[in-house]
Amino acid sequence: GNSVTQMEGPVTLSEEAFLTINCTYTATGYPSLFWYVQYPGEGLQLLLKATKADDKGSNKGFEATYRKETTSFHLEKGSVQVSDSAVYFCALSDPNTGTASKLTFGTGTRLQVTL
Amino acid sequence: GAVVSQHPSWVICKSGTSVKIECRSLDFQATTMFWYRQFPKQSLMLMATSNEGSKATYEQGVEKDKFLINHASLTLSTLTVTSAHPEDSSFYICSATAVREQFFGPGTRLTVL
Repeated sequence: GNSVTQMEGPVTLSEEAFLTINCTYTATGYPSLFWYVQYPGEGLQLLLKATKADDKGSNKGFEATYRKETTSFHLEKGSVQVSDSAVYFCALSDPNTGTASKLTFGTGTRLQVTL
Repeated sequence: GAVVSQHPSWVICKSGTSVKIECRSLDFQATTMFWYRQFPKQSLMLMATSNEGSKATYEQGVEKDKFLINHASLTLSTLTVTSAHPEDSSFYICSATAVREQFFGPGTRLTVL
């Protein structure tokens, strides 16, 4: 079945540091890939997505590129801020049911950014 | 953006009682809602897919008689945990779909004593 593996946290960085959160997946077919963010006390929010190989999703300075050859979708940001502190989830959609259907999530990675 | 609410945000109950959790899409209509369960430091696990006006579709291993789902309207789905036991303690999250995207509620923490 489908699965998503992401690096364990917490990840602690100083403000303005470079961020990478690794995510790899296993799926049959061609899933869409997502990064969601969960701020303290709030629901999950879509951060970015990519629907086909070599697509790059980007939002709020975050980027991730859909790499089919390495089955990866690593999240990066060049300069993190304290306000980026949150839990980040990598996810994929069932390729047989479209982008708004069943999602398979990674375990989440907690990011803490300090001054 | 689209807003999804859940009520209550947390609940503590005695073993053997039933608990109802509501999921509402506040500013859009959602034909499909999903219910997830999250254990500490673990993934969100899909429990069931709820479609308005029809029976929910449960994932393998999820007891449909234990976790009753009702999707009575395009803005409301409910999850009832029947005869709750301590092992049902968890964080329950719903999502609602609109325009090919899922919008998530803030979650409900259930503690069964």
